[in-house]
This record gives sequence, C-alpha cells and structure tokens, in this order.
Amino acid sequence: EVQLVESGGGLVQPGGSLKLSCAASGFTFSDHYMDWVRQAPGKGLEWVGRTRNKANSYTTEYAASVKGRFTISRDDSKNSFYLQMNSLKIDDTAVYYCATTVTGMAGTTGYWGQGTLVIVSS
Amino acid sequence: EIVLTQSPGTLSLSPGERATLSCRASQSISSYLAWYQQKAGQAPRLLIYDASNRATGIPARFSGSGSGTDFTLTISSLEPEDFAVYYCQQRSNWPLTFGGGTKVEIK
Repeated sequence: EVQLVESGGGLVQPGGSLKLSCAASGFTFSDHYMDWVRQAPGKGLEWVGRTRNKANSYTTEYAASVKGRFTISRDDSKNSFYLQMNSLKIDDTAVYYCATTVTGMAGTTGYWGQGTLVIVSS
Repeated sequence: EIVLTQSPGTLSLSPGERATLSCRASQSISSYLAWYQQKAGQAPRLLIYDASNRATGIPARFSGSGSGTDFTLTISSLEPEDFAVYYCQQRSNWPLTFGGGTKVEIK
C-alpha cells in the first residue's frame, strides 16, 4: 500500500525557518517525481514545487511565490523528501501536502499525504 | 504563468443530476490537464489525468474531455459522495498551476 506521511509542521514566526519531511512507502520512491502542494485556510490548492528522480538528475522546479526561499531535496536511501522553508511570511500559512503519481500495471494513481499544518505568526 | 479559470464557482445540483464543470487555460496546454476532487478535511484525490484518462479506481461516471484551452469534467449522475470541490491542474508549463475550484453542492 502506498503511503505518504508528512511531518515537521508547526508554529513559526515571520522570517523564521521550518523543514518539512515526507516519508514514502509502498512504491519505488527513487523512480518518481515528488511534489509539494499547499492550501491556505479556506483557500484553493497551490503547487509549491517538484523534485525529479535520479534519472532526471534530481532537478527541481518551484512556484514563483516561494522561489529563492524554499528548497526541495530528497534522500532516496530514506525514501523521503523535504521542503526547507526560509524567510517565512504570514502568507505561507497553509496545510502542506506531499504528492506523487504512480503508474503501474493497474493504471495511474495519484497519492497524497494527509498534510501538515504550518502557521506563520508572531 | 498559465492561469486556469474554473466555472462556475458553485454548482447546485441534486443527486442523480449531471454535472458539467469547466476549466479554461490562458494558453494552450495540449492535453496536460488533471482533475482533482477534494472533500472537506481531506487531501485531494486524482480523478482524471491527461484530460481524459481516469485514474485507477475512479468510477466511470467521471469523465474528462477537451484539449488546447478548454476542458470539461462531467459527472454523469451525481452520487451523494460526489458533492465536493473540484480543481483542475495544468501540467504543461512550469510552474504547474491549479484552477480556483468549483464547489458542487447539494441543491
């Protein structure tokens, strides 16, 4: 069974830093791209960024709103990937989800974690 | 950045009725569009990818169509569990973007 479990959320002051983790299981993590998506309270979904797999040199992409402040990384040996968030702003308050799409014999399925809440407030 | 505009914002329908949701892109995205369903307090669920392909385990009453800039998600006959918010997402250009969502509510 595929599982994605986020951790690391919490309360942080504006200008502070936080690192989120996403632990994956049930699929070949190293073969897959992984995304971070966030959702501010009562708002819609916002894509944050992506890490590609080893075959694509672990390259990353970011939303303009977080570029230069957030860094995505991964550790295939731990089946985990991360979101380092620096210079946090009040507008970064959101539930952060990790997500991926897995294609197998049965077809293509999207998987999301349960989300971890980040609150940026003084 | 590609902007996705979803309409209507809210759709009020009764169980058994047909739901038609629209997603329009600010420029052509070929067929690189996905649809998600999100219920209150839950993570989104992938319904459709590449505009018209149902994800694994998604009921046949959900169908997607369109290409270029205009896309449609159709729910042929609403079940009680289908009342939720639906988002489209383009996977054509960086950064990936989501539409603002359509809420399907019980009339």
